[in-house]
Amino acid sequence: NAGVTQTPKFQVLKTGQSMTLQCAQDMNHEYMSWYRQDPGMGLRLIHYSVGAGITDQGEVPNGYNVSRSTTEDFPLRLLSAAPSQTSVYFCASIPTEGSLNTEAFFGQGTRLTVV
Amino acid sequence: GEDVEQSLFLSVREGDSSVINCTYTDSSSTYLYWYKQEPGAGLQLLTYIFSNMDMKQDQRLTVLLNKKDKHLSLRIADTQTGDSAIYFCAENDNQGGKLIFGQGTELSVKP
Repeated sequence: NAGVTQTPKFQVLKTGQSMTLQCAQDMNHEYMSWYRQDPGMGLRLIHYSVGAGITDQGEVPNGYNVSRSTTEDFPLRLLSAAPSQTSVYFCASIPTEGSLNTEAFFGQGTRLTVV
Repeated sequence: GEDVEQSLFLSVREGDSSVINCTYTDSSSTYLYWYKQEPGAGLQLLTYIFSNMDMKQDQRLTVLLNKKDKHLSLRIADTQTGDSAIYFCAENDNQGGKLIFGQGTELSVKP
């Protein structure tokens, strides 16, 4: 198993550009989430999904879109990049509710800079 | 809404014990977690505790949970320089696997 795979690892965008951060997991987890990490603020939830076809907003959803057409993939789209979106982005997947192991598995992160 | 709070920095000497503290607001949390993040890396689960437990020990790690005060702590015995990292407390709010994280405590271990 590869676990959670995020691409790209690094990205520089110009203000106004759009891009998609990819996240894939091969553990058949129902729950997937996107977080952003900023210094002194921990990880803040952007969007999450409880299964294919179902997504919902987290704490800081503005400027981001998500979709979940398959269990494996949960891409995060930046519609029009802004400098405030400079951050490190983490994708996570969690086993289905009721599992004894509720560990969240994280990707290695995408470091995004918007200039 | 849910909130998780941690102090931002902790500095200890190698061989001492480290205690990292966390407070949370959601009394319905089922699981509470400690994650470790090394520089440039993702988050690694260190340990977790069910909300119906008071203590959990795992080798050098001891987790204490005070449900009345909504206070969670992580004690690292015999702290080593390899323990230097950011430690995140997190709670599961039972809504589709959402994890709510604290700000992270940066642990610095001096030789």
